[in-house]
Amino acid sequence: DAGVIQSPRHEVTEMGQEVTLRCKPISGHNSLFWYRQTMMRGLELLIYFNNNVPIDDSGMPEDRFSAKMPNASFSTLKIQPSEPRDSAVYFCASSRTSGSPSQYFGPGTRLTVL
Amino acid sequence: SQELEQSPQSLIVQEGKNLTINCTSSKTLYGLYWYKQKYGEGLIFLMMLQKGGEEKSHEKITAKLDEKKQQSSLHITASQPSHAGIYLCGADASGAGSYQLTFGKGTKLSVIP
Repeated sequence: DAGVIQSPRHEVTEMGQEVTLRCKPISGHNSLFWYRQTMMRGLELLIYFNNNVPIDDSGMPEDRFSAKMPNASFSTLKIQPSEPRDSAVYFCASSRTSGSPSQYFGPGTRLTVL
Repeated sequence: SQELEQSPQSLIVQEGKNLTINCTSSKTLYGLYWYKQKYGEGLIFLMMLQKGGEEKSHEKITAKLDEKKQQSSLHITASQPSHAGIYLCGADASGAGSYQLTFGKGTKLSVIP
């Protein structure tokens, strides 16, 4: 089975530009999570979807960040406008809400904002 | 909010040696997850502990949960270079089975051949 798929794997952009990160969860998983990982703050939960509905977005840093999940097999995290402090590795994870709640992570997108 | 403290922050061991990594929570642990991350890659799920006193093993890695101490330990027996990486613990932050995890900052393990 394919794992969580993220694209792009690396993104380098200039400050002020719009950045869109993409995620395809594991088929059959109905919970999706976006995380950000930095050296300073570690791994932080940004937003959590259940059955395509955002449940908790309290971790989203500010209004420049937005996330959508239009269907069960696709989600996006958008940053507009991007800033250098947004540079981090962004992970998407998915899980089933029934049975084992263990989250399975994608390979991440390494974002660099110049 | 719940905080997870991992110790040590980094660890260098000789191949074949045993080692232990600890994860201590500032609040009650409802579920504790261990992940491994290699540089430049995503997290790999190792195991989940839900009940006090529970112990699980995955190959040469054993994890235990001590609810009273609000702590979990990860023990690797006869370490190998393939065990090298960053080990992160995660815990259910809400306690309501929502699966929203708070993570520790990780323990970086290096294994010298």
